[in-house]
Parts: sequence; structure tokens; C-alpha cells
Amino acid sequence: DGGITQSPKYLFRKEGQNVTLSCEQNLNHDAMYWYRQDPGQGLRLIYYSQIVNDFQKGDIAEGYSVSREKKESFPLTVTSAQKNPTAFYLCASSSGDWDTEAFFGQGTRLTVV
Amino acid sequence: ILNVEQSPQSLHVQEGDSTNFTCSFPSSNFYALHWYRWETAKSPEALFVMTLNGDEKKKGRISATLNTKEGYSYLYIKGSQPEDSATYLCAFRLDSNYQLIWGAGTKLIIKP
Repeated sequence: DGGITQSPKYLFRKEGQNVTLSCEQNLNHDAMYWYRQDPGQGLRLIYYSQIVNDFQKGDIAEGYSVSREKKESFPLTVTSAQKNPTAFYLCASSSGDWDTEAFFGQGTRLTVV
Repeated sequence: ILNVEQSPQSLHVQEGDSTNFTCSFPSSNFYALHWYRWETAKSPEALFVMTLNGDEKKKGRISATLNTKEGYSYLYIKGSQPEDSATYLCAFRLDSNYQLIWGAGTKLIIKP
């Protein structure tokens, strides 16, 4: 089955640690995205990538980093520089055409302990 | 600052009743308006992608309209069922740089 998979579902991080969230898709999509959701707010874009080996900062990129070495994979690293990392993180992909839908993973809930 | 507003924030509807809610977005530089349904413990799923002023789309009991000149879209649900309980998100696509700007959602709860 084609789809987009995020792991892990839940992640706990100690203060000062970097953690990496995984996102894999087998939809042959060019574009991939990372969003953050906080209570009462819309999804906010962290980073996006339109093609392999290229990615762009979204609205809230500070404290995060990404890579896009393969078309299928777009991992997100939450670094110790991110001041308030506790949130729900969603990965999405799309064919890139502006009139097509995005497909989402099930999300990762990151908690700093 | 570009903003997408959804109203109401939450809505309780009796099973069998029809309902609707609104997504407001900037009326300039319009490319597309997306509607998604997000059920608890699942991934958001696309309902509609709307591109033309006056578009009306329908999927079963759910339909949507689009007015790009005044910057709003309505989502209608006819004869609400418990499985319609979810958060409904809209997102405005701004030009061809692939970004979507999201509303905070309308949380719909269907009361049996």
C-alpha cells in the first residue's frame, strides 16, 4: 500500500538533546513537508523540500534541521536550540502540483522531559 | 501577514442535522483552497481541492463552495452522522511555491 509513515509515534527528549523524527513515503512524491501543531493553532510549516537535495525554510525553522538525500525520506532533527520543542509534528508529501492534495503521516508527539 | 480563519472553532450538532462552517482566506494571489478532515488518532485526509471561483464540490453528504473574490469557502455536511465527528481544516495555497497556509480548524462533534 502506498503511504507516508512517521516514526516514532511518541518521543521523549531530555533538555539539551537532539532528536530525529523519521518520515518515509512510497508515493513517488517530489514534495515533502514538516509541520508543527500546537493547541488552538493551525499547522505551521517548519521546512519543505520540492526535490531531492534541496529544501527550504518554512515559517518556524529556527532550532530545526532537515535533509533530503533520497526522494522517499525527509527526516527532521529537533536540535537543542529549539526553545519549546514539545509539540505534535506532522509530515506530509504531495506531487508538487499546486492543485493536488497533500498526504499526511500519523504524526509524532514529542515531549521534552 | 497572511491568515486563514476558520469559524466556528468548535461545533456540537445533533445526529441527523445538517451543518456548515466557514474558511476565510486572503482574496489576492489565490491558487487553491484545500479542505481536510482529521479524525482523532488518524492522519488528516483530503476532502476537496478547489481552484476556481464558484467551484462547488461534493463527496457523499459533504459539499463545499468557493468564492475567491471575497475570500471564503463553506463546507456543508448534510444529515450529520457520528462518523463525521472530526476536526475540519482548510488551507490556502499561495502561488506556486508549494506552501499551504492553514486555518486552526473547526472541531465538529456529532451528538447521538
